[in-house]
This record gives sequence, structure tokens and C-alpha cells, in this order.
Amino acid sequence: GAVVSQHPSRVICKSGTSVKIECRSLDFQATTMFWYRQFPKQSLMLMATSNEGSKATYEQGVEKDKFLINHASLTLSTLTVTSAHPEDSSFYICSASVSRNYGYTFGSGTRLTVV
Amino acid sequence: QQQVKQSPQSLIVQKGGISIINCAYENTAFDYFPWYQQFPGKGPALLIAIRPDVSEKKEGRFTISFNKSAKQFSLHIMDSQPGDSATYFCAATSTGFQKLVFGTGTRLLVSP
Repeated sequence: GAVVSQHPSRVICKSGTSVKIECRSLDFQATTMFWYRQFPKQSLMLMATSNEGSKATYEQGVEKDKFLINHASLTLSTLTVTSAHPEDSSFYICSASVSRNYGYTFGSGTRLTVV
Repeated sequence: QQQVKQSPQSLIVQKGGISIINCAYENTAFDYFPWYQQFPGKGPALLIAIRPDVSEKKEGRFTISFNKSAKQFSLHIMDSQPGDSATYFCAATSTGFQKLVFGTGTRLLVSP
């Protein structure tokens, strides 16, 4: 089946630094990838939709300059949290669209802690 | 109009019992309704999905019931097991929308 690998699973960084999270589709080409943020005991909040070779589309209220998304190939999308602050601490999850038939596969998530 | 309302927020079921989670939507353009299971610290995993051309879909112990006229769909977990204890999310989307709209989630606890 379709597998999405997300790395790292956990990261701790100092306030003011940047951290990059990778999302790879291992056995399929993902034309569209999604990035979500999830707070404890809450639902997934879509941050942005990323299409290969084009700029990401950000949801309202998501800072484009803070959360940089790059989808340079059909198998890799990255989320860079720039100048991270403690309030950016959260669980970040990527998802890839398998096909036009609505297949969505999720990565295992990245727990970001900013200290 | 893009909301998906999910209930209950939490649910406790005895082992062997039936767990039922309900979702309602407003956008009649939605044509794909998946359910996801999420364990703590993990990403959601697709459990089962349905399209509006059928009223029910069953996969093992998991069944989706779909009521197009009421714009509601539900997940039934038969013979619930402690290993089913997780958070369940319903979602919806359509061809033109692309994005998944998630429900608020249901925390299920199956007591031994």
C-alpha cells in the first residue's frame, strides 16, 4: 500500500532556530501533499496544500514566512519552521494524495518542541 | 458549510460491545467520506471509507452507515476490543475541493 515516511519523529530545538521536517512518499508519486498541525486532544488543522513544482497554498491565518513549504519533487515535500518559538511546539503531520480517487495517506507525525 | 460535525467527543465501551460514532455534514458536494484511526503520537491511518452511492460498507468489524438524505454517516465498531482504544476522525471531501475536512474527533476507550 501507499506509504508516507515523515522524518524526524521528534525534534527539540532552541528558540530562534529553524527546523526542517521531511515528508516522503515511498512507493508512489504524490502530486499533492498536505501539512497539518495538531494540538493535544484536538483535530487536525490544515496548514497548507503543496503541489509539486508550484508554490504552496496556505490556509487563512498560517504565516507563510514562518512555515516554509517546498515540494520540489513528486516524492518529497518539506516543512521548515523558521525562527521557531515555544508557541510553535506542536505535532506536525503530512499527508499525500495517492490519486484522483481520493486516496490520502498520512505520515507518522513529528513532535516539535521549542525550548 | 465546509464543517463536519462529529459526536460524541468521547466514548467508553465495554469489551465486546458496539462503538458508534456519528458525523454530519452540510456540503452536498462532498462525495468521499473516510474514517481515520489515530493512536497517541502517531499519524492518522485510514480505517474505512465510503462514497454516497452506497448506504453501507463493511470491512471486518468496521461498518460505515451512510444516509445521504440526512447528510449523516456513522462508524460502527462491532465486538470492540481494548486495542481499538484510539481517537477516531471522520472526514469528507469532494473532487473539486481536494482538501479533507475533518470532524473534531472521538476518543474511544474500550474497557477490558
